[in-house]
Amino acid sequence: ELKVEQNPLFLSMQEGKNYTIYCNYSTTSDRLYWYRQDPGKSLESLFVLLSNGAVKQEGRLMASLDTKARLSTLHITAAVHDLSATYFCAVDEGTYKYIFGTGTRLKVLA
Amino acid sequence: EAGVTQFPSHSVIEKGQTVTLRCDPISGHDNLYWYRRVMGKEIKFLLHFVKESKQDESGMPNNRFLAERTGGTYSTLKVQPAELEDSGVYFCASSQLGAGTADTQYFGPGTRLTVL
Repeated sequence: ELKVEQNPLFLSMQEGKNYTIYCNYSTTSDRLYWYRQDPGKSLESLFVLLSNGAVKQEGRLMASLDTKARLSTLHITAAVHDLSATYFCAVDEGTYKYIFGTGTRLKVLA
Repeated sequence: EAGVTQFPSHSVIEKGQTVTLRCDPISGHDNLYWYRRVMGKEIKFLLHFVKESKQDESGMPNNRFLAERTGGTYSTLKVQPAELEDSGVYFCASSQLGAGTADTQYFGPGTRLTVL
């Protein structure tokens, strides 16, 4: 059974700092998704990573995928308060089911 | 374009009562999914519709849960009778393509269910 581990669970960081969220998964997959959720809102799609070595960037966020290591990272550069949210990774084995990590609650302090 | 919508946003019921959650997918999306997040744990798959047909309901916890999608448009998820452990946030998602393709699922805001 596919398992997805995400860490850290909680992250409090100062504005302007850099940090990385990690997403490890247990079986072969080359489809990985990152979502952001603000309290009470929908999960917003951030990145779709579909192959080994895929790297995508949007603003201060950059996501990468290493299928051999079964690892995806979400890197935050020079954090700002607006990035405070919960971030989820999800893995698709090639079916329609997403297997989610537990989420990382990020708080960026001014 | 309207996103996935869910109703109600919150529901508080007593143990033994019945609750029905509704999901309206993005127009034109044949695939509709239900997920649940319990007690801050990971979001878990419940079931998948393609149009009005259930493709997979392997994630449904037990027979107290009944999902329908009559006409292949909106879907309902009924819990009857509700138990304390059913409390959590129920998410609905929809997508355009199907299994075997890389297709982003678009999520609704969720329904927070509290069973007292």
